[in-house]
Amino acid sequence: DIQMTQSPSSLSAFVGDRVTITCRASQSISSYLNWYQQKPGKAPKLLIYAASSLQSGVPSRFSGSGSGTDFTLTISSLQPEDSATYYCQQSYSTPLTFGPGTKVDIK
Amino acid sequence: QVQLQESGPGLVKPSETLSLTCTVSGGSISNSFWSWIRQPPGKGLEWIGYIYHSGSTNYSPSLESRVTISVDTSKNQFSLKLSSVTAADTAVYYCARRTTVNRFYYYMDVWGKGTTVTVSS
Repeated sequence: DIQMTQSPSSLSAFVGDRVTITCRASQSISSYLNWYQQKPGKAPKLLIYAASSLQSGVPSRFSGSGSGTDFTLTISSLQPEDSATYYCQQSYSTPLTFGPGTKVDIK
Repeated sequence: QVQLQESGPGLVKPSETLSLTCTVSGGSISNSFWSWIRQPPGKGLEWIGYIYHSGSTNYSPSLESRVTISVDTSKNQFSLKLSSVTAADTAVYYCARRTTVNRFYYYMDVWGKGTTVTVSS
């Protein structure tokens, strides 16, 4: 199985800050990396697919980059509604695996 | 717009079989892959498996011995059965559509709201 790790596990930032979350795969997964946002009591929502493609309807302040084993999700200007937990997920091979999540809070 | 809705018992006894159904509305179940994912309380997401509309399946090895996912195209539904459950199977269970782009990249873009299943006597 491909193991996914994320850092940090949590962060707190001000509205307007630039926020970066890192995801690392235990082996190369090319660009087969997706990012999801999950708010409490809600289902995950797809933000980014194929490492850097923005899902339709997702605000452009969200962006993704990386390939191989190291990936980043960036929120260019944090908004109050971005308070959530963010998960990366690899689709390079089954079993599909998710990172442990990064909780983002607003200061 | 495709919507998914999970249904099934919220309480299952240990050693019994958990059974859930996902109803697809606003679109056809054909020509897509359909997934089950779960999330234990306060924990992260775990992929259980997926099924193609033709019936071909792919399961997580950690659950494969206990999992069956099936599809009923006439009802636009797919289902999950998990046998011999224990308290460790207590979780929110989500169904989701798996979409493929450019032949190789795929992701889960439509999710149900999730249903909580508790395993307890």
